[in-house]
Amino acid sequence: DAGVIQSPRHEVTEMGQEVTLRCKPISGHDYLFWYRQTMMRGLELLIYFNNNVPIDDSGMPEDRFSAKMPNASFSTLKIQPSEPRDSAVYFCASSPFRGGDEQYFGPGTRLTVT
Amino acid sequence: KQEVTQIPAALSVPEGENLVLNCSFTDSAIYNLQWFRQDPGKGLTSLLLIQSSQREQTSGRLNASLDKSSGRSTLYIAASQPGDSATYLCAVSGIGSNTGKLIFGQGTTLQVKP
Repeated sequence: DAGVIQSPRHEVTEMGQEVTLRCKPISGHDYLFWYRQTMMRGLELLIYFNNNVPIDDSGMPEDRFSAKMPNASFSTLKIQPSEPRDSAVYFCASSPFRGGDEQYFGPGTRLTVT
Repeated sequence: KQEVTQIPAALSVPEGENLVLNCSFTDSAIYNLQWFRQDPGKGLTSLLLIQSSQREQTSGRLNASLDKSSGRSTLYIAASQPGDSATYLCAVSGIGSNTGKLIFGQGTTLQVKP
């Protein structure tokens, strides 16, 4: 398997624009997680899905952030409108059958909002 | 609220030295603890996962221990090599509805000098 795939790897956008980050989890993994990493706050869980259903979105910072998982092989994290403070590295991770199992991380998307 | 702390924040050692990285957590009600490695500009790679009922796990030159009652874990790296240079993160997964929700420490950045 190719591992968790994220696109784009780098995104530079202007404040106010819509940003969509994409993730393809490892085939057969039932759990998908979105994280954000910044120097100030470290790695934070934003939201996670089980079998395509959002289970916990308590980490989503604001209503400007939304995430979907239309099928088992694809998820998106959308920011609309984007702000400079959203600049961070966004990671997607997937995990096998149980949420407590080892999580496999994608390479991340580095987002810069100017 | 679970908090995870890693000490030291940075560490520089000569090649061949054995070293210990520390991780502490405030809530002992955990499902498991994971140690990850992160190379600059890359995603996270899982190194070791210790279930709450286990005391330690070993993989090659790495040994991780867990003392749940005291809220501590250590990652021991034997005979360090320059290729071990990276940031090491520990993360704990809660129990019940918090299973799978990883709470990360800020990491220890290790430099192994040739």
